Amino acid sequence: NAGVTQTPKFQVLKTGQSMTLQCAQDMNHNSMYWYRQDPGMGLRLIYYSASEGTTDKGEVPNGYNVSRLNKREFSLRLESAAPSQTSVYFCASSELAGSETQYFGPGTRLLVL
Amino acid sequence: SQKIEQNSEALNIQEGKTATLTCNYTNYSPAYLQWYRQDPGRGPVFLLLIRENEKEKRKERLKVTFDTTLKQSLFHITASQPADSATYLCALWTGRRALTFGSGTRLQVQP
Repeated sequence: NAGVTQTPKFQVLKTGQSMTLQCAQDMNHNSMYWYRQDPGMGLRLIYYSASEGTTDKGEVPNGYNVSRLNKREFSLRLESAAPSQTSVYFCASSELAGSETQYFGPGTRLLVL
Repeated sequence: SQKIEQNSEALNIQEGKTATLTCNYTNYSPAYLQWYRQDPGRGPVFLLLIRENEKEKRKERLKVTFDTTLKQSLFHITASQPADSATYLCALWTGRRALTFGSGTRLQVQP
């Protein structure tokens, strides 16, 4: 089992460009999450999907959209990238929302110039 | 406002000693608290969970305590090794939305 996979690993964007970060899990988990991690700020929740077909805003949703494509995949889209979105993005999954353990992907490092 | 505080300064200890990391929170009533380990360039990895009605939890060289009166959790690594060097994150679940994470404490174990 690969666990949680994310693509790409690293991306450079210019201000105003758009991109989609991909995430997939092979653990048959119901819930999936997108976090961003900035120095000194810890992990902040952007969006989450408690189950297939549902998505909800987290702490910092502005500037992002998500799609829960199916049970396995949860994508994060930046429609018009801004330098403030330079960060490391982590996808995670858990069996249920609020479940004991979250499993994280390796992260996508995004630089917006 | 709700806040989770972990010591932002790195903790440096000698190999073989016990490392103790602190997680303090305000304005939360967490149903449970978790500790994760994060190595540079990698995603966090789950270590331990402790529920609000539990005082202490152990796993091998790891021990977590949870004091809901003090609003504090302590994370101990006994007989620490250089391989324990990493950033350790605490996370709370209050029954709403998803986990809320602290910013982490970096532990450096010197050989």
